[in-house]
Amino acid sequence: EAQVTQNPRYLITVTGKKLTVTCSQNMNHEYMSWYRQDPGLGLRQIYYSMNVEVTDKGDVPEGYKVSRKEKRNFPLILESPSPNQTSLYFCASTPRGSGPGEQFFGPGTRLTVL
Amino acid sequence: QKEVEQNSGPLSVPEGAIASLNCTYSDRVSQSFFWYRQYSGKSPELIMSIYSNGDKEDGRFTAQLNKASQYVSLLIRDSQPSDSATYLCAVNRRDNNDMRFGAGTRLTVKP
Repeated sequence: EAQVTQNPRYLITVTGKKLTVTCSQNMNHEYMSWYRQDPGLGLRQIYYSMNVEVTDKGDVPEGYKVSRKEKRNFPLILESPSPNQTSLYFCASTPRGSGPGEQFFGPGTRLTVL
Repeated sequence: QKEVEQNSGPLSVPEGAIASLNCTYSDRVSQSFFWYRQYSGKSPELIMSIYSNGDKEDGRFTAQLNKASQYVSLLIRDSQPSDSATYLCAVNRRDNNDMRFGAGTRLTVKP
């Protein structure tokens, strides 16, 4: 089944404890992206990647890191999480030939930072 | 000013009516426009994309784009209770590969 998977789906952690949210897609998509969704603010792009080893900042990259060592994986790293990073996070991917906006979204990861 | 603006709603329409959802954007070099539907507790799913001025129809959905007015809309004909969701407008600029989303409009279709 073609899909974007994220792990974990739910995470409660404490301030300053490094964490990684994984994202994987099995559709050979080139463009991948991370978003956070907060009430009243909608989806805001954190980072995106056009291809392996190519990443760029989105709208709200502060406090986040990403890497794209393999085409299928695009992990999101929070080196020192803070409470204002409590949010719902989505990973998305787009097939080659489609514009960046024609995205398939993962199921989401709900993160709480205490 | 937000880059992509939508009325938050809620927008309530009776079953069978036309639902009209609106979106404005601030960046004139935007070139690609998208509508996503998000059911409560679920991830967004793409329902329409539009790249040139005018109308684009897909089943009960019609996307309308007016670049001069920096305006994009989504019409849902014969609205069904299953259309009740939040609709997100998204914009991609010509010179960039990043995406900007509106905060979404919550639509309720009443039986």
